[in-house]
Amino acid sequence: EIVLTQSPGTLSLSPGERATLSCRASQSVSSSYLAWYQQKPGQAPRLLIYGASSRATGIPDRFSGSGSGTDFTLTISRLEPEDFAVYYCQHFRTFGQGTKVEIK
Amino acid sequence: QVQLVESGGGVVQPGGSLRLSCAASGFIFGTFGMHWVRQAPGKGLEWVAVISYDGSNPYYPDSVKGRFTISRDNSKNTLYLQMSSLRAEDTAVYYCARDPSSRGDGYKFAYWGQGTLVTVSS
Repeated sequence: EIVLTQSPGTLSLSPGERATLSCRASQSVSSSYLAWYQQKPGQAPRLLIYGASSRATGIPDRFSGSGSGTDFTLTISRLEPEDFAVYYCQHFRTFGQGTKVEIK
Repeated sequence: QVQLVESGGGVVQPGGSLRLSCAASGFIFGTFGMHWVRQAPGKGLEWVAVISYDGSNPYYPDSVKGRFTISRDNSKNTLYLQMSSLRAEDTAVYYCARDPSSRGDGYKFAYWGQGTLVTVSS
């Protein structure tokens, strides 16, 4: 069974800064099924990225995804106040444990 | 617009049973695979079950296999999760989510319900 490990666990940044979140798979996975979600307290997750690098409908272009094989990255180019949340990567039935992006 | 509304959560004793429902609207329910995903308090997301558009090919992780049953009634645009032999570790918010494919093998969740809380406690 594939395990997805996200790092760091928590990222403390200021608005306007760049955020780089990592998702590492325990074995090589298909990029076609690699997705990223954003979740805010009390809300359902929101699909940001699918197919490792395609933005979902309505997602701002400051969010980008990249990677292949075992290493994937979600980048937020300039953090907006509404971007402080928890982010999860997913491959098929497996989710990573999440990265919390908090205000520094 | 696509809408998914879960219901049926509550407090249940260990060993008890509960049935969750997910009412769908805004799309042709009977043409999409559907999933249940849960989230324990303060924890991450865990996929729980999938079902194809026609009710075939249900699939579960080992953590719930033999205890949970996913089903659907396309005439009522409703997805179900029957949970039995509940344990404390099943305590979570349960979300239903739509798959992009009819077979339920897309695993890309663009649409989620708001979730329903299940608490297993004596």
